[in-house]
Amino acid sequence: KAGVTQTPRYLIKTRGQQVTLSCSPISGHRSVSWYQQTPGQGLQFLFEYFSETQRNKGNFPGRFSGRQFSNSRSEMNVSTLELGDSALYLCASSPTRDRGYNEQFFGPGTRLTVL
Amino acid sequence: AQSVTQLGSHVSVSEGALVLLRCNYSSSVPPYLFWYVQYPNQGLQLLLKYTTGATLVKGINGFEAEFKKSETSFHLTKPSAHMSDAAEYFCAVIAGGYQKVTFGTGTKLQVIP
Repeated sequence: KAGVTQTPRYLIKTRGQQVTLSCSPISGHRSVSWYQQTPGQGLQFLFEYFSETQRNKGNFPGRFSGRQFSNSRSEMNVSTLELGDSALYLCASSPTRDRGYNEQFFGPGTRLTVL
Repeated sequence: AQSVTQLGSHVSVSEGALVLLRCNYSSSVPPYLFWYVQYPNQGLQLLLKYTTGATLVKGINGFEAEFKKSETSFHLTKPSAHMSDAAEYFCAVIAGGYQKVTFGTGTKLQVIP
C-alpha cells in the first residue's frame, strides 16, 4: 500500500504570495490532519478533515485554510505569506475518525521557504 | 487541556549505551501516548504507542516505554544505542478521543561512536 504523499516536496515563495500544498492519504483513509513544524514552535496542529468536513482546528490565523475532496485528498492554502510561515508542513492520514485512538501515518512533508 | 514536556532538547549517548528520553504529560482524561521518530528531511514514524492495558510497551527498533500514571510519565528507553538511532524523537498525547495530537518539543539524540 502506498504511503501518504505530499506535493510539492520543496517550495520557495515570497512574502505576500499565496501557496497551496497537496496531500494524498493512504488508500482507504478518510481522516487527514495537517501540522506545521518549525524550529521555534515545534510541531503544531493546524486542522483535521474527515469526509470533506473540518472537524478540528488548531490555533492559527485565518490565512491558513484547507479542504478535503471526495476522494479524501486534501489541500491546505496559506494566503498572504509571511516570513514566519517558513516551515515543514506535514500531512497525516488515519483510517477512521471514531472516537478514540486512530493511528496517524505521516507523509514526508513539504518544505516551504518564504523569502 | 493536554500537554507534553520533553526534558532535554539534545541527548548524547555512546554507541552501545542506554538510551533514556524523558516525557511527562498532562491530561484531564486517560491519555493515549505515543513516541515518534523523525529522521532528517523525513516525516514522522511511529515508534510505539500506549492506549490501554499493559503499561510497558514495546516498539520497533528495540525501543520500549513505560506508562506511569502516578508519575505522569512515558519515558522512552533502549538498552543499547546504535548509530542508526540518531534522530529526533517526539513524545505525543491524544486526549479526549480526537485526532488533535499534541507533540512535545522533541529531543535530538546523538550517538557517539
